[in-house]
Amino acid sequence: DIQMTQSPSSLSASVGDRVTITCRASQATNNNLNWYQQKPGKAPKLLMSAASSLQSGVPSRFTGSGSGRDFTLTINSLQPEDFATYYCQQSYRTPHTFGQGTKVEIK
Amino acid sequence: QVQLVESGGALVKPGGSLTLSCEASGFNFSDYFMHWIRQAPGKGPEWISYISKSYTKYAAYADSARGRFVISRDNAQNSLYLQMNSLRAEDTAVYYCARGDYYGAGSLDYWGQGTLVTVSS
Repeated sequence: DIQMTQSPSSLSASVGDRVTITCRASQATNNNLNWYQQKPGKAPKLLMSAASSLQSGVPSRFTGSGSGRDFTLTINSLQPEDFATYYCQQSYRTPHTFGQGTKVEIK
Repeated sequence: QVQLVESGGALVKPGGSLTLSCEASGFNFSDYFMHWIRQAPGKGPEWISYISKSYTKYAAYADSARGRFVISRDNAQNSLYLQMNSLRAEDTAVYYCARGDYYGAGSLDYWGQGTLVTVSS
């Protein structure tokens, strides 16, 4: 199985900050790397697919980058509605494993 | 608009069985891979299974589900199912159905609201 490791596990940031979350795969994922946002009591929401393809309706302050094994989700100018938990997921090989999550909290 | 509505979650005893359903609307169901994902309390999501869109209905499973869970679909009814057997306490979770992206790359672009399965004596 491909293991996905996110860092950090949690972070505190202020509105307007730039936040970077990293995700490392245990093997190459052919850029089949997706990012999700989850708020308490809700289903995850797809933000980014194929490492850097922004989903329709997702604000452009979210950007994805990376290739091979290492990927990054950046939130430019953090907004109040962005406080949530973020997960990466590889969909290159089954099982389509998720990272353990990064919780973005208000400083 | 795309909607996925899960049902069938319940309290079940260890060793028991349960079938979850997911009713889809707002899109051409037969054109999409469909997935089941679960999330145990306080944990991250865990991908469980997918089924292909075509008449071959190819399926894949996580190790935790293989041999105990069976995914199926009825394209005429726009419905996805997950039959779960030999349930264990560690199967306790919210179970989500999700639509795979159109190109089959595996991203999950729409999710249901989830249905809670609790396995306890």
